[in-house]
Amino acid sequence: AQTVTQSQPEMSVQEAETVTLSCTYDTSESDYYLFWYKQPPSRQMILVIRQEAYKQQNATENRFSVNFQKAAKSFSLKISDSQLGDAAMYFCAYRSPWGDMRFGAGTRLTVKP
Amino acid sequence: DAGVTQSPTHLIKTRGQQVTLRCSPKSGHDTVSWYQQALGQGPQFIFQYYEEEERQRGNFPDRFSGHQFPNYSSELNVNALLLGDSALYLCASSLGLAGANEQFFGPGTRLTVL
Repeated sequence: AQTVTQSQPEMSVQEAETVTLSCTYDTSESDYYLFWYKQPPSRQMILVIRQEAYKQQNATENRFSVNFQKAAKSFSLKISDSQLGDAAMYFCAYRSPWGDMRFGAGTRLTVKP
Repeated sequence: DAGVTQSPTHLIKTRGQQVTLRCSPKSGHDTVSWYQQALGQGPQFIFQYYEEEERQRGNFPDRFSGHQFPNYSSELNVNALLLGDSALYLCASSLGLAGANEQFFGPGTRLTVL
C-alpha cells in the first residue's frame, strides 16, 4: 500500500525568507499524482500545487515550487518570500490514477514577523 | 459559484448513537469522497461515490456507510458511535474518478462523541 511520510511535524520561517517542507512516499506504481495541500485554522483544505509523476519538470505556482525526485520518491515543497498568510498545516498527498488520496501526517508551518 | 458545502458545522453525540453528515459538491462535480481527520493527523480516506454507487472504500468498518443522490450530493452515516469516531469529517468533490482531477474540499463537520 502507498504511504506518505512527512518527517517534520513543525517548521518555522521568518517572514520574507524561504522554507522547504519535506515529503517522501512509498509506491510500486510508475504513474501517479502528488499534491501539497494547505489547511489553515479555518479547516478548509486548499490545493497549493500538484505534480504528475510522468512529468520531469518540477511544478511551480507563484511563490510555491516543488522538488520532485522520482527515483528517491521525494516530493518537497519550497515556499519563497514567506508571508504571514502562509502559516498553516501543510499536507503532502499521493494519488494513483484511479485510486484514493493518501495523506501524510502534516507539517505545521509558523511564519514569524 | 458555490464551492463544496457541508452540514452541520459541529455536532455532539453520545456513544452508541447514529449520525448523518451531509455534503453538496461544487457545481458541475459528480464525484464525492469522504475523509476522516483525527486531531493532529492527516485525512484518512473513507469512501468515494460516483453515479450513486460506492466506488472505493478505505479501511473503515461497516458502521460507516454512505449514499449519493441523483443531484450528486452525498451523506455519510456512522452507526454505533465510538469515542474514537470524534474527528473532523471532510467531503471533497471532483469531476469524475480519475486521479488527475482536482479534489475540492469542504470546510468539514466537527463530530464530538461523548
